[in-house]
Amino acid sequence: DTGVSQNPRHKITKRGQNVTFRCDPISEHNRLYWYRQTLGQGPEFLTYFQNEAQLEKSRLLSDRFSAERPKGSFSTLEIQRTEQGDSAMYLCASSPKGVAGGPNEQFFGPGTRLTVL
Amino acid sequence: AQSVAQPEDQVNVAEGNPLTVKCTYSVSGNPYLFWYVQYPNRGLQFLLKYITGDNLVKGSYGFEAEFNKSQTSFHLKKPSALVSDSALYFCAVRPMNTGFQKLVFGTGTRLLVSP
Repeated sequence: DTGVSQNPRHKITKRGQNVTFRCDPISEHNRLYWYRQTLGQGPEFLTYFQNEAQLEKSRLLSDRFSAERPKGSFSTLEIQRTEQGDSAMYLCASSPKGVAGGPNEQFFGPGTRLTVL
Repeated sequence: AQSVAQPEDQVNVAEGNPLTVKCTYSVSGNPYLFWYVQYPNRGLQFLLKYITGDNLVKGSYGFEAEFNKSQTSFHLKKPSALVSDSALYFCAVRPMNTGFQKLVFGTGTRLLVSP
């Protein structure tokens, strides 16, 4: 399967613990995105990388959240001192660079479901 | 700031009948518009996009969408619904010419196709 993969698929943690999620994009996709989706809502943008550079960051991404893409391939999203409000599905997406005709669609992974007790 | 409204939480249609899932948007300037579908325990799957040109866009699985600039709408349509089309559908917008890459999604519409 050459789609976007995310690990783990599920994570249960206690409030105050740190968690880290991994995303492996489709190979050759130089753009990578993180979104968060809560029940009954659409995905909300968190951050965007082009290669290893983090170019966009939502105000939703508090200082407890950090994302990296050190070699321009896989990415990690870390949440420090988790809170119950962090419980959500964390989605990763990737896309190739857009062309003159407009943006390419984003391809989404299956998500990591985080439950904070 | 850009936003998307999907006014219907759920749409019910009988198999074989045409379906419409509504979407309106608000954005500064011209939009890029997208439809995605989400099946249970699976990631979002791309259906179609509007970039420029023809207002009627054809996508995967027989879906199409019509861009209407004056009504700021991008409704998803299919001439004949299948039970397997039952899923959660999301409309998304990205403003043109800003350099920003993020998509802004609506809250989703659940489509239920009955046999």
